[in-house]
Amino acid sequence: DTGVSQDPRHKITKRGQNVTFRCDPISEHNRLYWYRQTLGQGPEFLTYFQNEAQLEKSRLLSDRFSAERPKGSFSTLEIQRTEQGDSAMYLCASSQDRGPYNEQFFGPGTRLTVL
Amino acid sequence: GNSVTQMEGPVTLSEEAFLTINCTYTATGYPSLFWYVQYPGEGLQLLLKATKADDKGSNKGFEATYRKETTSFHLEKGSVQVSDSAVYFCALRGPGTASKLTFGTGTRLQVTL
Repeated sequence: DTGVSQDPRHKITKRGQNVTFRCDPISEHNRLYWYRQTLGQGPEFLTYFQNEAQLEKSRLLSDRFSAERPKGSFSTLEIQRTEQGDSAMYLCASSQDRGPYNEQFFGPGTRLTVL
Repeated sequence: GNSVTQMEGPVTLSEEAFLTINCTYTATGYPSLFWYVQYPGEGLQLLLKATKADDKGSNKGFEATYRKETTSFHLEKGSVQVSDSAVYFCALRGPGTASKLTFGTGTRLQVTL
């Protein structure tokens, strides 16, 4: 297993366009998380899934953001009508569901630049 | 809500110097505490963790002790190397069913020869 992968690694888009990112978690992990990291800040939680169920969403996840994990494996994060303030690194992480102490393994991230 | 406060960087040290990066937290109950490291061009990696008061997490020569009385989880290393240059993030995960991590702003460490 090569760990959590994310695609694309970089995305440049114009304001108002829609973008979609993909995350492939470690295969036996049933929990999947999305975070956003802006320059000079730590990652901020956006949402998380257990299998295909989206169990928690941050207030940071506005109506323009939607995340799915249709078969409990890979996940997509879509941003509609992008704004310059959406420019950030979007991180995906996954973990197993074995009590509250499981390590979250992070992917390399997708860097979004909105022009 | 939960929050993590880290000392601001960058921290610049000579090789073999002693490292301390301060981290304090605010949380209800007994959170789990973590240090993550981000090497240049790489993703976040878990460095060490502690899940209850007085636990000491350690890895690769780094240590941190969960101090509930001072709500702190300071990262230390006795002798840093150039290869330790990275950004270090302190994080917590709340007790109970909460799974999300709350991160500090990160501290950049640069180690020079």
